[in-house]
Amino acid sequence: SAVISQKPSRDICQRGTSLTIQCQVDSQVTMMFWYRQQPGQSLTLIATANQGSEATYESGFVIDKFPISRPNLTFSTLTVSNMSPEDSSIYLCSGGRASEQYFGPGTRLTVT
Amino acid sequence: EDQVTQSPEALRLQEGESSSLNCSYTVSGLRGLFWYRQDPGKGPEFLFTLYSAGEEKEKERLKATLTKKESFLHITAPKPEDSATYLCAVQALDQAGTALIFGKGTTLSVSS
Repeated sequence: SAVISQKPSRDICQRGTSLTIQCQVDSQVTMMFWYRQQPGQSLTLIATANQGSEATYESGFVIDKFPISRPNLTFSTLTVSNMSPEDSSIYLCSGGRASEQYFGPGTRLTVT
Repeated sequence: EDQVTQSPEALRLQEGESSSLNCSYTVSGLRGLFWYRQDPGKGPEFLFTLYSAGEEKEKERLKATLTKKESFLHITAPKPEDSATYLCAVQALDQAGTALIFGKGTTLSVSS
């Protein structure tokens, strides 16, 4: 198994600013992903974080809005840029291998 | 389009009252089906991965089964600590990077 931590756990941000969320895994993992979970909804994949190359984004998510870095096999960051109230959500990092994927505790973001 | 539907949306049980949660899926090809438990304010906790029709996996009071079109999560003699939202997700063969497609979840409440 893998233990995943995220920082910050929550934040309240002003419209138009940016927030970077960090994800740390306690062991090297093949795959890392970023998801969004809006209130009362299920998880939606934002992008696959690729080690050493550009992230792969899902339809509806773009690099300018959600730049992602993955410098090594245990760490990734997601930035939410130029935030609006619609970006208020829980952002979750996951990692593991194809057969077992583990999640961090999430970052609860509120944009005012 | 790959899709996951969970039912019921909410389920209330008395302690000891066994029941089942359903996860129906539509994918062009199934790589794996995942079950997670999510407690309020926390990230999803990995429970099981199933790969082929007829496969079953157990963990304490939980047993997951898989057919070609759906999966069931059977809860035997539940306890109040089993109260949580249970999420089902599929990993499709045509999904780049082996990311997961989630259903909306079933919220289980077990009262003593």
